[in-house]
Amino acid sequence: SQKIEQNSEALNIQEGKTATLTCNYTNYSPAYLQWYRQDPGRGPVFLLLIRENEKEKRKERLKVTFDTTLKQSLFHITASQPADSATYLCALEYGNKLVFGAGTILRVKS
Amino acid sequence: AAGVIQSPRHLIKEKRETATLKCYPIPRHDTVYWYQQGPGQDPQFLISFYEKMQSDKGSIPDRFSAQQFSDYHSELNMSSLELGDSALYFCASSITGGPREQYFGPGTRLTVT
Repeated sequence: SQKIEQNSEALNIQEGKTATLTCNYTNYSPAYLQWYRQDPGRGPVFLLLIRENEKEKRKERLKVTFDTTLKQSLFHITASQPADSATYLCALEYGNKLVFGAGTILRVKS
Repeated sequence: AAGVIQSPRHLIKEKRETATLKCYPIPRHDTVYWYQQGPGQDPQFLISFYEKMQSDKGSIPDRFSAQQFSDYHSELNMSSLELGDSALYFCASSITGGPREQYFGPGTRLTVT
């Protein structure tokens, strides 16, 4: 079955720095990979989608890369702010459903 | 902009009772997904519907059933509730043939005592 691994440890960074989150997957070759943000007790919120034939995607302070050879996606938040503190979920499309990773908790300190 | 609506937001039931969760997708969204998220866990796919037909099925217990109605809203029916069913239940919606991202509702927090 598909397996998705994200940084198991929380990521603590200083405000203004770039946060880099990692998503590795095995046993699958997704055509699309998505990143979501989830705040405690709330539903996931879509951030970015990247296709298998795209190497990089950007949206404002966010950047996603997708390396299908390494089976890895990196999610970057530049000029991080305390408001960026949340859990970030990587999700692969499998059929018409999403398979999520366990998420990485990001804490941005001012 | 309109979002996915879920009701109720909180539900407390006792073991062996029945619960019904409702989901109203974003207008014009024709596909509905249900996910279960336990404490500290990632969302797990349960089931999805497109045009009132079940389109995919995940790790949904036989005690659970779901359907999508003609107005595209969906209901998740849970019977013989167990303590382990306590979780956040999210509904998400999307447009088939449109953007691939799913829009999640605020969730229903089910507590089984």
